[in-house]
Amino acid sequence: AQSVTQLDSHVSVSEGTPVLLRCNYSSSYSPSLFWYVQHPNKGLQLLLKYTSAATLVKGINGFEAEFKKSETSFHLTKPSAHMSDAAEYFCVVSPFTGGGNKLTFGTGTQLKVEL
Amino acid sequence: GAVVSQHPSRVICKSGTSVKIECRSLDFQATTMFWYRQFPKKSLMLMATSNEGSKATYEQGVEKDKFLINHASLTLSTLTVTSAHPEDSSFYICSARGGESFTDTQYFGPGTRLTVL
Repeated sequence: AQSVTQLDSHVSVSEGTPVLLRCNYSSSYSPSLFWYVQHPNKGLQLLLKYTSAATLVKGINGFEAEFKKSETSFHLTKPSAHMSDAAEYFCVVSPFTGGGNKLTFGTGTQLKVEL
Repeated sequence: GAVVSQHPSRVICKSGTSVKIECRSLDFQATTMFWYRQFPKKSLMLMATSNEGSKATYEQGVEKDKFLINHASLTLSTLTVTSAHPEDSSFYICSARGGESFTDTQYFGPGTRLTVL
């Protein structure tokens, strides 16, 4: 069994300040973990993925995430927020490397970026 | 590369009618596609796994006679919502697996907004 908990349903930051979106997971396997972003009325775009290689994963648009097995966490960070980062972010877990099978989604974190 | 499209992007229909949503992998072949449903301000819920040339596998609680899935080719899967009712109104998203293996990444379509009046 696997599950994902996104600890914050809403996060608000000022433009230019750091972003931290928190995610904890539970899995019976050595999981693969992903972060996806969804802009309003749009599909999901893959930001980054962890598949048992380096624990610090760099993604697109300046985002990165660190896999911490001891804390069962996979928090998403960005040093400096941009207005275009405002969107819904989903943390996702898969029992398989690459995520080609059933994905379990977190409930999402709405990121708001203010001037 | 790895682009997935959906058509239509939005559809409004009357209660009792059927609606077909198409999911296409544009630049790769996808033996497996997935259909998700997303309620407002909620996460995605997997509805079914669609395999080319065989019957779809539905998740528990999803009515297979209500949500008909056909995966007729390596680039096209369709979801038909039969006898739609207002409670079927939702955002439907498909994804396509970019390879034969479970290790391959899923690529998501832009979604279809269904509104049933």
